[in-house]
Amino acid sequence: GAGVSQSPSNKVTEKGKDVELRCDPISGHTALYWYRQSLGQGLEFLIYFQGNSAPDKSGLPSDRFSAERTGGSVSTLTIQRTQQEDSAVYLCASSGYRLWARRETQYFGPGTRLLVL
Amino acid sequence: SQQGEEDPQALSIQEGENATMNCSYKTSINNLQWYRQNSGRGLVHLILIRSNEREKHSGRLRVTLDTSKKSSSLLITASRAADTASYFCATDGKSGGSNYKLTFGKGTLLTVNP
Repeated sequence: GAGVSQSPSNKVTEKGKDVELRCDPISGHTALYWYRQSLGQGLEFLIYFQGNSAPDKSGLPSDRFSAERTGGSVSTLTIQRTQQEDSAVYLCASSGYRLWARRETQYFGPGTRLLVL
Repeated sequence: SQQGEEDPQALSIQEGENATMNCSYKTSINNLQWYRQNSGRGLVHLILIRSNEREKHSGRLRVTLDTSKKSSSLLITASRAADTASYFCATDGKSGGSNYKLTFGKGTLLTVNP
């Protein structure tokens, strides 16, 4: 079926504004992940969802970052009061068809390129 | 925390040549995966090798894993211009139940010249 999709593809915002990034995982995938890729930092893990719950939020860089997942499907990553250092590509991935399946291959979306002016 | 580190950071070869990229990591793993990224966008999964495997093939790709040295290599044979991309290794943790969180290296930028 279709792969992971993300929207918007690109987002330019002003410092201090809030942004919402959306991820549609592969249908039936139970696990969803957000990563961030920025210059000089490489790819960083942000948060992991199993179903609608987030057992690991350890990678969220500050309390300005939050994420939710509804219906075991779509996820939204929200960044409040954006700062210039938030500029990065935000990547979403999904994996696993069954709750007991080992979460191995993560399939990535095309990413959202965020630029905070 | 574990971290994949690829080398070289950049590799430039001629079409038809083989390209070898290496990855090292620090802690015990369940799996090691290689991904490709074009133009700084989405990552494409190439191949997964489990910690109890030593070598795996997929088309023109050959991956080896040496858990005693905590290292892996990705070989692309008969390279093509379309193979030009950044290549990342990613590991998942074996301890603490965090077998989902991928830790990526900084990547190798491969340029294949026509």
